[in-house]
Amino acid sequence: AQKVTQAQTEISVVEKEDVTLDCVYETRDTTYYLFWYKQPPSGELVFLIRRNSFDEQNEISGRYSWNFQKSTSSFNFTITASQVVDSAVYFCALSETGTASKLTFGTGTRLQVTL
Amino acid sequence: DAGVIQSPRHEVTEMGQEVTLRCKPISGHNSLFWYRQTMMRGLELLIYFNNNVPIDDSGMPEDRFSAKMPNASFSTLKIQPSEPRDSAVYFCASSLGGRGYTFGSGTRLTVV
Repeated sequence: AQKVTQAQTEISVVEKEDVTLDCVYETRDTTYYLFWYKQPPSGELVFLIRRNSFDEQNEISGRYSWNFQKSTSSFNFTITASQVVDSAVYFCALSETGTASKLTFGTGTRLQVTL
Repeated sequence: DAGVIQSPRHEVTEMGQEVTLRCKPISGHNSLFWYRQTMMRGLELLIYFNNNVPIDDSGMPEDRFSAKMPNASFSTLKIQPSEPRDSAVYFCASSLGGRGYTFGSGTRLTVV
Protein backbone atom coordinates (compact mmCIF):
# COMPACT_ATOMS: atom_id res chain seq x y z
CA ALA A 1 0.00 0.00 0.00
CA GLN A 2 1.19 3.48 -0.75
CA LYS A 3 1.55 6.14 1.90
CA VAL A 4 2.61 9.78 2.04
CA THR A 5 3.75 11.46 5.23
CA GLN A 6 3.98 15.18 5.78
CA ALA A 7 5.20 15.49 9.33
CA GLN A 8 4.96 19.29 9.48
CA THR A 9 1.39 20.23 10.27
CA GLU A 10 1.92 23.97 10.25
CA ILE A 11 4.81 26.31 9.52
CA SER A 12 4.98 30.05 10.09
CA VAL A 13 7.63 32.22 8.49
CA VAL A 14 8.23 35.89 7.94
CA GLU A 15 8.16 37.16 4.39
CA LYS A 16 11.41 36.70 2.47
CA GLU A 17 12.47 33.73 4.54
CA ASP A 18 13.17 30.43 2.80
CA VAL A 19 11.03 27.49 3.87
CA THR A 20 11.19 23.76 3.14
CA LEU A 21 8.19 21.47 3.27
CA ASP A 22 9.01 17.84 3.88
CA CYS A 23 7.44 14.83 2.21
CA VAL A 24 8.27 11.16 2.77
CA TYR A 25 6.58 8.41 0.83
CA GLU A 26 6.19 4.64 0.86
CA THR A 27 5.46 2.44 -2.12
CA ARG A 28 6.24 -1.07 -3.26
CA ASP A 29 6.30 -0.06 -6.90
CA THR A 30 9.51 0.79 -8.67
CA THR A 31 7.69 3.13 -11.01
CA TYR A 32 5.57 5.91 -9.60
CA TYR A 33 4.80 9.62 -9.78
CA LEU A 34 5.14 12.23 -7.05
CA PHE A 35 3.17 15.45 -6.95
CA TRP A 36 2.82 18.68 -5.04
CA TYR A 37 -0.45 20.59 -4.92
CA LYS A 38 -1.24 23.97 -3.38
CA GLN A 39 -4.57 24.73 -1.75
CA PRO A 40 -4.97 28.48 -1.17
CA PRO A 41 -7.65 29.88 1.13
CA SER A 42 -10.08 29.92 -1.80
CA GLY A 43 -10.08 26.11 -1.63
CA GLU A 44 -9.13 24.87 -5.07
CA LEU A 45 -6.32 22.38 -5.56
CA VAL A 46 -3.60 23.81 -7.76
CA PHE A 47 -1.12 21.51 -9.44
CA LEU A 48 2.52 22.51 -8.88
CA ILE A 49 4.74 19.67 -10.08
CA ARG A 50 4.84 16.02 -11.11
CA ARG A 51 7.99 13.96 -10.89
CA ASN A 52 8.58 10.49 -12.37
CA SER A 53 10.40 8.03 -10.11
CA PHE A 54 13.10 7.56 -12.73
CA ASP A 55 13.96 11.22 -12.80
CA GLU A 56 15.87 12.27 -9.71
CA GLN A 57 16.98 15.59 -11.06
CA ASN A 58 16.07 18.48 -8.86
CA GLU A 59 13.74 21.02 -10.40
CA ILE A 60 13.53 24.76 -10.03
CA SER A 61 10.66 26.95 -11.11
CA GLY A 62 11.08 30.56 -10.10
CA ARG A 63 11.09 30.69 -6.32
CA TYR A 64 10.03 27.05 -6.07
CA SER A 65 12.40 24.10 -6.04
CA TRP A 66 11.98 20.41 -5.43
CA ASN A 67 14.49 17.88 -4.12
CA PHE A 68 13.75 14.25 -4.95
CA GLN A 69 15.87 11.65 -3.19
CA LYS A 70 14.96 8.05 -3.85
CA SER A 71 17.46 6.80 -1.28
CA THR A 72 15.49 8.43 1.52
CA SER A 73 12.07 8.25 -0.20
CA SER A 74 11.70 11.98 0.11
CA PHE A 75 10.38 14.69 -2.17
CA ASN A 76 10.87 18.00 -0.42
CA PHE A 77 9.63 21.38 -1.58
CA THR A 78 11.45 24.65 -0.93
CA ILE A 79 10.09 28.14 -1.38
CA THR A 80 12.80 30.77 -1.60
CA ALA A 81 12.11 34.32 -0.43
CA SER A 82 8.59 33.47 0.66
CA GLN A 83 5.74 35.90 0.05
CA VAL A 84 2.38 36.40 1.73
CA VAL A 85 0.70 34.98 -1.38
CA ASP A 86 2.44 31.67 -0.67
CA SER A 87 0.24 31.19 2.38
CA ALA A 88 -1.72 28.01 1.71
CA VAL A 89 -1.92 24.33 2.52
CA TYR A 90 0.53 22.28 0.50
CA PHE A 91 -0.09 18.62 -0.27
CA CYS A 92 2.38 16.01 -1.39
CA ALA A 93 0.89 13.06 -3.26
CA LEU A 94 1.88 9.77 -4.85
CA SER A 95 0.47 7.66 -7.65
CA GLU A 96 1.65 4.33 -8.90
CA THR A 97 1.88 4.21 -12.66
CA GLY A 98 -0.68 2.33 -14.62
CA THR A 99 -3.72 2.94 -16.68
CA ALA A 100 -5.79 3.66 -13.60
CA SER A 101 -3.85 4.82 -10.60
CA LYS A 102 -5.24 6.55 -7.59
CA LEU A 103 -3.56 9.57 -6.11
CA THR A 104 -2.74 9.22 -2.41
CA PHE A 105 -2.31 12.45 -0.50
CA GLY A 106 -0.37 13.37 2.58
CA THR A 107 -2.14 15.25 5.34
CA GLY A 108 -0.83 18.60 4.15
CA THR A 109 1.33 21.36 5.60
CA ARG A 110 -0.24 24.71 6.33
CA LEU A 111 2.19 27.51 5.50
CA GLN A 112 1.58 30.93 6.97
CA VAL A 113 3.73 33.76 5.64
CA THR A 114 3.49 37.03 7.54
CA LEU A 115 4.87 40.49 6.95
CA ASP B 1 -10.21 23.59 -22.16
CA ALA B 2 -12.68 24.34 -19.37
CA GLY B 3 -11.06 21.95 -16.93
CA VAL B 4 -12.99 19.66 -14.62
CA ILE B 5 -16.42 21.09 -13.94
CA GLN B 6 -18.29 20.35 -10.76
CA SER B 7 -21.76 21.38 -9.76
CA PRO B 8 -23.14 22.71 -7.59
CA ARG B 9 -20.37 24.77 -5.94
CA HIS B 10 -22.28 24.91 -2.69
CA GLU B 11 -25.10 22.74 -1.40
CA VAL B 12 -26.98 23.09 1.84
CA THR B 13 -29.50 20.39 2.60
CA GLU B 14 -31.42 18.98 5.50
CA MET B 15 -30.56 15.72 7.11
CA GLY B 16 -32.32 12.84 5.41
CA GLN B 17 -32.49 14.47 2.00
CA GLU B 18 -30.88 13.05 -1.12
CA VAL B 19 -27.89 14.93 -2.48
CA THR B 20 -26.42 14.56 -5.96
CA LEU B 21 -23.05 15.99 -6.89
CA ARG B 22 -22.06 16.22 -10.53
CA CYS B 23 -18.79 16.18 -12.40
CA LYS B 24 -17.74 16.68 -15.99
CA PRO B 25 -14.16 15.50 -16.57
CA ILE B 26 -11.72 16.87 -19.08
CA SER B 27 -12.46 15.56 -22.54
CA GLY B 28 -10.16 12.67 -23.41
CA HIS B 29 -9.28 11.80 -19.83
CA ASN B 30 -9.96 8.15 -19.10
CA SER B 31 -9.92 8.11 -15.29
CA LEU B 32 -12.19 9.93 -12.87
CA PHE B 33 -11.82 10.24 -9.13
CA TRP B 34 -14.05 11.42 -6.30
CA TYR B 35 -12.33 12.74 -3.18
CA ARG B 36 -13.72 14.08 0.07
CA GLN B 37 -11.92 16.64 2.21
CA THR B 38 -12.62 17.17 5.90
CA MET B 39 -10.60 18.68 8.70
CA MET B 40 -10.49 15.39 10.54
CA ARG B 41 -9.62 13.02 7.69
CA GLY B 42 -7.95 15.25 5.13
CA LEU B 43 -8.25 14.30 1.46
CA GLU B 44 -9.57 10.79 1.09
CA LEU B 45 -10.36 8.90 -2.09
CA LEU B 46 -13.93 7.68 -2.23
CA ILE B 47 -14.05 5.94 -5.60
CA TYR B 48 -12.41 6.01 -8.99
CA PHE B 49 -13.36 4.94 -12.49
CA ASN B 50 -11.30 3.92 -15.46
CA ASN B 51 -12.98 4.02 -18.85
CA ASN B 52 -16.30 4.53 -17.06
CA VAL B 53 -15.89 1.35 -15.00
CA PRO B 54 -15.58 1.58 -11.19
CA ILE B 55 -12.16 0.24 -10.22
CA ASP B 56 -11.99 0.82 -6.49
CA ASP B 57 -14.86 1.91 -4.27
CA SER B 58 -13.30 0.83 -0.99
CA GLY B 59 -13.25 4.43 0.18
CA MET B 60 -17.00 4.89 -0.04
CA PRO B 61 -18.07 5.35 3.58
CA GLU B 62 -21.23 3.26 3.55
CA ASP B 63 -24.20 2.20 1.51
CA ARG B 64 -25.66 5.67 1.63
CA PHE B 65 -23.04 6.71 -0.90
CA SER B 66 -23.19 5.68 -4.55
CA ALA B 67 -21.39 6.86 -7.67
CA LYS B 68 -22.05 6.37 -11.35
CA MET B 69 -20.32 7.19 -14.59
CA PRO B 70 -22.83 6.55 -17.39
CA ASN B 71 -20.49 7.94 -20.04
CA ALA B 72 -17.04 9.41 -20.48
CA SER B 73 -18.21 12.96 -19.92
CA PHE B 74 -20.31 12.73 -16.79
CA SER B 75 -20.27 11.30 -13.29
CA THR B 76 -22.46 11.65 -10.22
CA LEU B 77 -21.94 11.05 -6.54
CA LYS B 78 -25.14 10.53 -4.62
CA ILE B 79 -25.75 10.50 -0.88
CA GLN B 80 -29.09 9.14 0.27
CA PRO B 81 -30.04 9.82 2.99
CA SER B 82 -27.61 12.58 3.90
CA GLU B 83 -26.33 13.08 7.45
CA PRO B 84 -24.55 16.01 9.13
CA ARG B 85 -21.29 14.04 9.21
CA ASP B 86 -21.33 14.04 5.40
CA SER B 87 -20.59 17.75 5.46
CA ALA B 88 -17.33 18.24 3.58
CA VAL B 89 -15.84 19.49 0.36
CA TYR B 90 -16.14 16.94 -2.41
CA PHE B 91 -13.63 17.10 -5.22
CA CYS B 92 -13.77 15.44 -8.59
CA ALA B 93 -10.56 14.90 -10.58
CA SER B 94 -9.77 13.43 -13.96
CA SER B 95 -6.61 11.98 -15.39
CA LEU B 96 -5.17 10.47 -18.53
CA GLY B 97 -3.22 7.35 -17.74
CA GLY B 98 -2.36 8.51 -14.24
CA ARG B 99 0.22 10.97 -15.52
CA GLY B 100 -1.53 14.11 -14.36
CA TYR B 101 -4.56 14.85 -12.24
CA THR B 102 -6.75 17.89 -12.69
CA PHE B 103 -9.16 18.77 -9.94
CA GLY B 104 -12.46 20.59 -10.13
CA SER B 105 -13.26 23.50 -7.86
CA GLY B 106 -15.10 21.25 -5.44
CA THR B 107 -18.60 21.14 -4.01
CA ARG B 108 -18.98 22.35 -0.45
CA LEU B 109 -21.74 20.27 1.11
CA THR B 110 -23.40 21.27 4.35
CA VAL B 111 -25.98 18.95 5.88
CA VAL B 112 -28.00 20.54 8.67
